[in-house]
Amino acid sequence: DAGVTQSPTHLIKTRGQQVTLRCSPKSGHDTVSWYQQALGQGPQFIFQYYEEEERQRGNFPDRFSGHQFPNYSSELNVNALLLGDSALYLCASSSKLLALRFNEQFFGPGTRLTVL
Amino acid sequence: GQQLNQSPQSMFIQEGEDVSMNCTSSSIFNTWLWYKQDPGEGPVLLIALYKAGELTSNGRLTAQFGITRKDSFLNISASIPSDVGIYFCAGNPLRSSGTYKYIFGTGTRLKVLA
Repeated sequence: DAGVTQSPTHLIKTRGQQVTLRCSPKSGHDTVSWYQQALGQGPQFIFQYYEEEERQRGNFPDRFSGHQFPNYSSELNVNALLLGDSALYLCASSSKLLALRFNEQFFGPGTRLTVL
Repeated sequence: GQQLNQSPQSMFIQEGEDVSMNCTSSSIFNTWLWYKQDPGEGPVLLIALYKAGELTSNGRLTAQFGITRKDSFLNISASIPSDVGIYFCAGNPLRSSGTYKYIFGTGTRLKVLA
């Protein structure tokens, strides 16, 4: 049973560019959440996707957008990259059906984004 | 962004010692999760807590959901070198019940001296 997978592992971009990160949730999961983790800090919630729609959003600008596909996989897009966007981007998967009883989420290995 | 207060920030302990760390919030939470993160990797779920006062164990790890619902504690008994890493608490606020919008703590960096 594959866990949460993310691609690419590492990415280097320059300011102003756009980036797309990808995530495949754990088998049987239908909800994907994205987090940004700056160096030395805890993950910060960006947004969450369920049934191909954004359901919850954290305090991130509109430059951060996403998408969820019918197979539950998801993409995170960041436009007009800033130096401060350099971070580890984590995807977490979970099951909406279990949300009210077993509110667990499982993380992928992350994508390390460096903006120069 | 909002983060939970986690303490201690870091700790050096001898192998075999017990470890305690905690996480506090000004808000009420309905779920607490504890994760361990190794360098360059994603957090790994250790323990999940769902009810105030709940005490749950996973091997040498024991965590408790505070009675006030505003804090949680993690204990590691008889630490070993592979316990080294960063431990994060994550809380699901009551107002976000049924979602997976978690707020994370600032992390406790644990180093174990053999």
